[in-house]
Amino acid sequence: KNQVEQSPQSLIILEGKNCTLQCNYTVSPFSNLRWYKQDTGRGPVSLTIMTFSENTKSNGRYTATLDADTKQSSLHITASQLSDSASYICVVRPAGGGNKLTFGTGTQLKVEL
Amino acid sequence: DADVTQTPRNRITKTGKRIMLECSQTKGHDRMYWYRQDPGLGLRLIYYSFDVKDINKGEISDGYSVSRQAQAKFSLSLESAIPNQTALYFCATSDLRPGTGELFFGEGSRLTVL
Repeated sequence: KNQVEQSPQSLIILEGKNCTLQCNYTVSPFSNLRWYKQDTGRGPVSLTIMTFSENTKSNGRYTATLDADTKQSSLHITASQLSDSASYICVVRPAGGGNKLTFGTGTQLKVEL
Repeated sequence: DADVTQTPRNRITKTGKRIMLECSQTKGHDRMYWYRQDPGLGLRLIYYSFDVKDINKGEISDGYSVSRQAQAKFSLSLESAIPNQTALYFCATSDLRPGTGELFFGEGSRLTVL
């Protein structure tokens, strides 16, 4: 069964600090991996997409990495801001799988002053 | 205005009642989806539609039905609501470009079944 596991489940950091969120998946072969940000009370919004051939992708202060050999991805947030407080969800699309996306349960990040 | 609009945003109902959640989109996408989100669980697909004449079951379709009234409208119905259908429901759209598959979500409909 395809699975996506995220760690940590929750995280609290001080404003200005960096943090790294982890995503391990069993989906194979896979087409792409996305990180979504979900603010409280809102729908998820895509941050980055990575295909199996990409190792890193940046979107402002967000940098995603992918190791297809170990089936691991990480999302690094630099110089965190209060507005980064949200749930971050890792989503994997299998190759040829159409709409059979596998969602992680998310990491809840809280950035404090 | 939001590109994907869900109504109602919040609804409290009783067991056995019929409920309809509505979704409309202005993105011009052909593909529309209904997902359910529960605490501690990832988003789970209920139903999806690739065009007006296409309806497909997702992984948790039991107890739900859908209607694709137009390219821009996709509604989810609970014919007889039960308490374990209490959840946050999301409508989403995506376009047909191969290999991308970005989902654009509405802001969610929180349903409580007493």
